[in-house]
Amino acid sequence: QKEVEQNSGPLSVPEGAIASLNCTYSDRGSQSFFWYRQYSGKSPELIMFIYSNGDKEDGRFTAQLNKASQYVSLLIRDSQPSDSATYLCALRTRNAGNMLTFGGGTRLMVKP
Amino acid sequence: SAVISQKPSRDICQRGTSLTIQCQVDSQVTMMFWYRQQPGQSLTLIATANQGSEATYESGFVIDKFPISRPNLTFSTLTVSNMSPEDSSIYLCSVVPGLAGETYEQYFGPGTRLTVT
Repeated sequence: QKEVEQNSGPLSVPEGAIASLNCTYSDRGSQSFFWYRQYSGKSPELIMFIYSNGDKEDGRFTAQLNKASQYVSLLIRDSQPSDSATYLCALRTRNAGNMLTFGGGTRLMVKP
Repeated sequence: SAVISQKPSRDICQRGTSLTIQCQVDSQVTMMFWYRQQPGQSLTLIATANQGSEATYESGFVIDKFPISRPNLTFSTLTVSNMSPEDSSIYLCSVVPGLAGETYEQYFGPGTRLTVT
């Protein structure tokens, strides 16, 4: 089992809809969770991070963390074509210092 | 966050040669990392660049192949040695802003796209 699992997609949603991206992980010692957006040919851009169970909202983005079920998700409200990108889930575990483990990424396509 | 620059942004190199990639940050940081992203893949950590001491390499990466320097708190280099076509990847520098471990968020530089022929 991979440490961080994401559906590779593509996930296709119509413009204006809510895009839901999910990530599961295997290490219960994971403490910090990050969502990166990566446009084709560009480097990853940090868009959200969450450390505690529950929801964290930032503009159109909401990160949701459930440590008991070992998943973290990213909701994008009012999806725009400019949100089309690959979204990478990453996590930091207690024993790994600041090292991040990345999932394989989910490709999101927002259709006008 | 921090402003991170990398040089070169891209290069095409012949097999058997070496390339040194530079990473410059606009502020002092303790934590600096080098990642590789192979075509169509996610990110893999190569090593943690430690200021004043040898880098800490992840499994599958060795100093002879990927020597790293970290002369100060704003700069690091990664060398890809004796290159083969399998080394064709994007190489990314990342940092955790600040000095005292107050935060865990990592930010990435623009990357260096390397093609080995």
